[in-house]
Amino acid sequence: GENVEQHPSTLSVQEGDSAVIKCTYSDSASNYFPWYKQELGKGPQLIIDIRSNVGEKKDQRIAVTLNKTAKHFSLHITETQPEDSAVYFCAAISHTGNQFYFGTGTSLTVIP
Amino acid sequence: GAVVSQHPSWVICKSGTSVKIECRSLDFQATTMFWYRQFPKQSLMLMATSNEGSKATYEQGVEKDKFLINHASLTLSTLTVTSAHPEDSSFYICSASAGAKNIQYFGAGTRLSVL
Repeated sequence: GENVEQHPSTLSVQEGDSAVIKCTYSDSASNYFPWYKQELGKGPQLIIDIRSNVGEKKDQRIAVTLNKTAKHFSLHITETQPEDSAVYFCAAISHTGNQFYFGTGTSLTVIP
Repeated sequence: GAVVSQHPSWVICKSGTSVKIECRSLDFQATTMFWYRQFPKQSLMLMATSNEGSKATYEQGVEKDKFLINHASLTLSTLTVTSAHPEDSSFYICSASAGAKNIQYFGAGTRLSVL
């Protein structure tokens, strides 16, 4: 099955700086890679996703890049704000099934 | 985006009682719903996958007789924790998916505390 690894587990940045979270996956058949933001005591919220037919996707301050050859994808948050502080999860899913394989999460703290 | 409602958000119960958690897709029909369990500071652990009108598929190690899942309609799935014990205390989260795009939309989660 799929194995998704996520780094770092914790990340602290100064407000205004950029944050990068990286994930690797093992199953070359995986073709959909969403990123979720989870605030304390709440459910995960989809913030951006990318499919295997593109290499990069951007939505305002958030971007995701995908390297299919190396089997890794990254979340980039620019001009970070305190409200970006949360736990971020990456996931990978194969076209052969509908099960998400989640990374272990990254706790991001943006210091004002 | 699609909205998934989960109820209750927090429940406290006595050991030995059963607790039902509801998951509803409010503005779309969910062909598949998923139930996850999350321990503090850990990732989401998939418990089971359910398709409307059929039996749920449980992940290895998840007791189907303890965690009863019903997906009676395209907008509602329920998880019943039977004879709950303190070790069942956790954060339970549902998600719903529709169509071939495989996007999952998550509920806000239910915090279960078993005394």
